[in-house]
Amino acid sequence: EPEVTQTPSHQVTQMGQEVILRCVPISNHLYFYWYRQILGQKVEFLVSFYNNEISEKSEIFDDQFSVERPDGSNFTLKIRSTKLEDSAMYFCASSFRDRPNNEQFFGPGTRLTVL
Amino acid sequence: AQKITQTQPGMFVQEKEAVTLDCTYDTSDQSYGLFWYKQPSSGEMIFLIYQGSYDEQNATEGRYSLNFQKARKSANLVISASQLGDSAMYFCAMRSSGNTPLVFGKGTRLSVIA
Repeated sequence: EPEVTQTPSHQVTQMGQEVILRCVPISNHLYFYWYRQILGQKVEFLVSFYNNEISEKSEIFDDQFSVERPDGSNFTLKIRSTKLEDSAMYFCASSFRDRPNNEQFFGPGTRLTVL
Repeated sequence: AQKITQTQPGMFVQEKEAVTLDCTYDTSDQSYGLFWYKQPSSGEMIFLIYQGSYDEQNATEGRYSLNFQKARKSANLVISASQLGDSAMYFCAMRSSGNTPLVFGKGTRLSVIA
């Protein structure tokens, strides 16, 4: 069964460093998302991506964040200069269509720890 | 704006018993979808069940069923015959028509007791 994959599973970085979180969505999906979950809190939307551009972003997704689909298979989230409060689980998700009844398939997540 | 409320931070249930996890939502949209996800301690998000706002029947998937009461804006998850492996966080989420992201509730931690 096709699945969304994410690498690495756990990333530890120093405050101020750049990190790139990688995701490989399901191959025929067209809509891509990043969510984050700070430990013990709810899952929050960061950004959605379609047709090689951002379609929606939340207040969390400030200038320190960027997304890219560099090669038609990978979907990356870059944090330019990490802060302690960026420590969270980051989930990538993808869906085939963007309708209310279309399931978003989630990857296993990358746990980011900023020291 | 959409909002999901899960009022039960934690629930306990005896193995083999049924349990209901509450979810209420708020939206002004007519077309929307409601989802339940399970998050075990390993952290991944596992899709359980979906209910569309225009679906007349409650959704069911194996031991999971969704008690959808549109007028009350509630979408409670019912797990029948609980198993130890059901112990996890459960998140209710929704999205409306168009290009909108999933909005999640704060979750309910379910503990199944042997």
